Amino acid sequence: DAGVIQSPRHEVTEMGQEVTLRCKPISGHDYLFWYRQTMMRGLELLIYFNNNVPIDDSGMPEDRFSAKMPNASFSTLKIQPSEPRDSAVYFCASSYRGYEQYFGPGTRLTVT
Amino acid sequence: AQSVTQPDIHITVSEGASLELRCNYSYGATPYLFWYVQSPGQGLQLLLKYFSGDTLVQGIKGFEAEFKRSQSSFNLRKPSVHWSDAAEYFCAVGVLEYGNKLVFGAGTILRVKS
Repeated sequence: DAGVIQSPRHEVTEMGQEVTLRCKPISGHDYLFWYRQTMMRGLELLIYFNNNVPIDDSGMPEDRFSAKMPNASFSTLKIQPSEPRDSAVYFCASSYRGYEQYFGPGTRLTVT
Repeated sequence: AQSVTQPDIHITVSEGASLELRCNYSYGATPYLFWYVQSPGQGLQLLLKYFSGDTLVQGIKGFEAEFKRSQSSFNLRKPSVHWSDAAEYFCAVGVLEYGNKLVFGAGTILRVKS
């Protein structure tokens, strides 16, 4: 299997712009998780889906952040408008029936 | 609330020496426990997991971990460290009632000196 795929791997954007991060989970996995990693706060869960339905979005920092999962093989995390404090590495992970999670390579976001 | 403590931010060991990374967790029920490794610029790779049964679990790359319920610990060990083991290591507890979402420790950075 190809593993979890994320795109882009790097994104540099200016403050105020919209940013869309993409994730393709491992085929057959029914859970999808979005994490953010920063030096100050470590790894934080932003939101997770089960069978394409958002279950817990309590980690989404602000209304500027939104996530969707239109089908079992694709999810997006959108930031609109972006701010410099959103600069981080964003990871997507997937799991089957909630067991071990497999992580993608991450998207390094820089907002200037 | 669930939490994970990794008391060592940095650890330096000589190549060939043994390694133990500490992890303590707080969780009200029987935990699912994980160790992940992250090399610079990379994603997190699962090293090993504990769900139930034998409290000594074997993982990839020669790592093992022991679950000790009485100490709320899940320490990671390797008998002989290789230079390629230099990375950051994360311990995590899975919160079962929330789809096994992971609560991570702060991580331990391992440096290997030759």
